[in-house]
Amino acid sequence: SHVLTQPPSVSVAPGKTARITCGRNNIGSKSVHWYQQKPGQAPVLVIYHDSDRPSGIPERFSGSNSGNTATLTISRVEAGDEADYYCQVWDSTSDVVFGGGTKLTVL
Amino acid sequence: EVQLVESGGDLVQPGGSLRLSCAASGFSFSTYWMSWVRQAPGKGLEWVANIKQDGSDKYYMDSVKGRFTISRDNAKKSLYLQMTSLRAEDTAVYYCARDGGGYYLAWGQGTLVTVSS
Repeated sequence: SHVLTQPPSVSVAPGKTARITCGRNNIGSKSVHWYQQKPGQAPVLVIYHDSDRPSGIPERFSGSNSGNTATLTISRVEAGDEADYYCQVWDSTSDVVFGGGTKLTVL
Repeated sequence: EVQLVESGGDLVQPGGSLRLSCAASGFSFSTYWMSWVRQAPGKGLEWVANIKQDGSDKYYMDSVKGRFTISRDNAKKSLYLQMTSLRAEDTAVYYCARDGGGYYLAWGQGTLVTVSS
């Protein structure tokens, strides 16, 4: 499988915009999905197919994917957004890959 | 409401076996691929295995091939993971997840497997 590279941590002040990247060669040719995970809880899908939001996910969450980098953008960051975020791609039925995760800290 | 409830996690000695179960409700279980995803303490998410709707196709991560077996019972709306020859590195929270077409919209709360002597 091909590794997905995420920064270990991102810090942002409340009300500002956080951007979390997920890198891999030609990731733009894949659909990228993003999960939020708070301590002690199961992951929650926040973005699928690069930029689609599941029902119930605020519009503040958006995604993009091009070239070698996919990006999760969280606008107007709130304290409640503090969590670990994981990107994921489906290379094949037998190859599901997660990024290493990024800890978002709200200052 | 879609629900996935895992059970069966426990403390087991290296080399031992364990069977995890996942009870599904609130959706048409037999029409979805299902997966097991694990998370070692303090680590990231790791896909373990998945199974086709009718159980005819199954896939595994390399490190569990030959040791873990995924299965399902559509009549009971249940997913299973039989784990044998367990190793310390298998210690993790194991999540049951519903495959929505390459992504996971529904997750269980997880069950903890600890492999230690």
